[in-house]
Amino acid sequence: KNEVEQSPQNLTAQEGEFITINCSYSVGISALHWLQQHPGGGIVSLFMLSSGKKKHGRLIATINIQEKHSSLHITASHPRDSAVYICAVNENTDKLIFGTGTRLQVFP
Amino acid sequence: DTEVTQTPKHLVMGMTNKKSLKCEQHMGHRAMYWYKQKAKKPPELMFVYSYEKLSINESVPSRFSPECPNSSLLNLHLHALQPEDSALYLCASRLRLADYNEQFFGPGTRLTVL
Repeated sequence: KNEVEQSPQNLTAQEGEFITINCSYSVGISALHWLQQHPGGGIVSLFMLSSGKKKHGRLIATINIQEKHSSLHITASHPRDSAVYICAVNENTDKLIFGTGTRLQVFP
Repeated sequence: DTEVTQTPKHLVMGMTNKKSLKCEQHMGHRAMYWYKQKAKKPPELMFVYSYEKLSINESVPSRFSPECPNSSLLNLHLHALQPEDSALYLCASRLRLADYNEQFFGPGTRLTVL
């Protein structure tokens, strides 16, 4: 069993829909990261969380430390949001443990 | 300057070639990473440098040789690679503070080994 599990693995949506991607982890962490990767491209850090909730534009990330669970929400989704979204956690300060990613496609 | 740059963007090499990948950051970060990413898989950690010293080597074959000449630069020297080494190679850097763990990723070098 992976230490970081994401669901769903694949997600399709119509433009404008509200999207939720979930991440569960089984280890103690110092921080959780949500990352975005467009096809063939590098990785962009969206959020780093250790508690609570963060918002940036149409993106919202929440974390529940007790339940070892985090969610990434996208409001008013747009085709340019199509990408792979990766949840990753810091178990210690030097290494990230990555989830397997959620492939999102938003259609116009 | 708030980015990690990587060169080249694309590299095609034969199994007998020697080549190098370069990564640079000018954010004052003192931890730098090399990752390998195969298609539709998450990145796999290869090496971590902390204060210009190799701190983690994830049992990477010796045909990959990292080098950190200074705090801003990280190289990955490649020699006698195999076709299965074809992948996206990502560099990242991190500011080393006790409670700050954000990694900044470069755009990657897409490597094809023929």
